[in-house]
Amino acid sequence: DGGITQSPKYLFRKEGQNVTLSCEQNLNHDAMYWYRQDPGQGLRLIYYSQIVNDFQKGDIAEGYSVSREKKESFPLTVTSAQKNPTAFYLCASSRWDGPFDEKLFFGSGTQLSVL
Amino acid sequence: QKEVEQNSGPLSVPEGAIASLNCTYSDRGSQSFFWYRQYSGKSPELIMSIYSNGDKEDGRFTAQLNKASQYVSLLIRDSQPSDSATYLCAVRKLEAGGTSYGKLTFGQGTILTVHP
Repeated sequence: DGGITQSPKYLFRKEGQNVTLSCEQNLNHDAMYWYRQDPGQGLRLIYYSQIVNDFQKGDIAEGYSVSREKKESFPLTVTSAQKNPTAFYLCASSRWDGPFDEKLFFGSGTQLSVL
Repeated sequence: QKEVEQNSGPLSVPEGAIASLNCTYSDRGSQSFFWYRQYSGKSPELIMSIYSNGDKEDGRFTAQLNKASQYVSLLIRDSQPSDSATYLCAVRKLEAGGTSYGKLTFGQGTILTVHP
């Protein structure tokens, strides 16, 4: 079954702690993305990666870090510098169906809360 | 002005009616437009994509794009209670330099409730 797997589903962070959210895809997609969603709001882009060993900051990258050592994997670390980390985190990968038609497909999400 | 703005909700329609969801965007360089549906606690799923002016139909869903007015809408005909969800409008533009990959900018979402 092809898809995007995020783990864990729920995660709790203590003060001053770094935590890592996992994202794995077996769709053979080149590009992967991390979004954050706060209640009643749309999605905001944290980081994205177009290719292995390369990634770019999105609109709200402060307090987050990523790596892209393998095509299938794009983990997100929420560092202690992120003072308001409570949110729903969504990982996505994309497929091109035409010159302007890049479609995003999402994992099931990780709900991060602060203890 | 927000880059992507959706009509404020929540929107409530009776079963069988047409639900109309609207979205405006600020960047005239935007090229692709998407509607996602998100059930509570779940991840967004793609419903429609459109990138040419006019209408695009898929089953009960019709996306409408007017680039001159910077406006995109989603119509849901014969609304069902299972359509009750948050609908997210997303807009994509090519990055500076014409690179192939762009980023999606999402609106804040409109909550739709279809009541029996």
